[in-house]
Amino acid sequence: QKEVEQNSGPLSVPEGAIASLNCTYSDRVSQSFFWYRQYSGKSPELIMSIYSNGDKEDGRFTAQLNKASQYVSLLIRDSQPSDSATYLCAVYNYGQNFVFGPGTRLSVLP
Amino acid sequence: DTEVTQTPKHLVMGMTNKKSLKCEQHMGHRAMYWYKQKAKKPPELMFVYSYEKLSINESVPSRFSPECPNSSLLNLHLHALQPEDSALYLCASSQGMVSTEAFFGQGTRLTVV
Repeated sequence: QKEVEQNSGPLSVPEGAIASLNCTYSDRVSQSFFWYRQYSGKSPELIMSIYSNGDKEDGRFTAQLNKASQYVSLLIRDSQPSDSATYLCAVYNYGQNFVFGPGTRLSVLP
Repeated sequence: DTEVTQTPKHLVMGMTNKKSLKCEQHMGHRAMYWYKQKAKKPPELMFVYSYEKLSINESVPSRFSPECPNSSLLNLHLHALQPEDSALYLCASSQGMVSTEAFFGQGTRLTVV
């Protein structure tokens, strides 16, 4: 069973702080990694994708991938109350499709 | 444009009804997906279509019947559902069956009474 685990929430950070979200996966041949943000009652929204080891930055978001450790993370700098949502880590394996982690609920406190 | 359009947004149906959910994308994506999501749970894969052919059925009960009339459209036909089938049904699409991003529609909130 291919598994994706995320640090349990809820995670609370003050406004302006860095929020750190973590994800581990069990399948070593996983190829692609994604972070989705999901507001309550809404559909998941893709915010980051990462395919190779290292960091990828997009605005206030940085995704980090370490395939040797089977670990992917998302950092949100200068967190805003509007970042409060559930963050889903998704891992893609060719032929297996997307496997989602259970999600981490982030609360940014004004 | 990364838009996937789902209709209807909300649906209430009785256990003897037949209804259909629709999904449309015009991004030229060749893979389309149906997911089911219960409250406070991650999306759960139901079906995958690749190049208009069903490639994955995650042991979904036959009361759910997918259809892909063409590369832009995906339907989910519903019949004799149970109250426990009430959930958010999500459609997604991606460029193909290789490592590309998947984009979700807004979902259909289904309530079975």
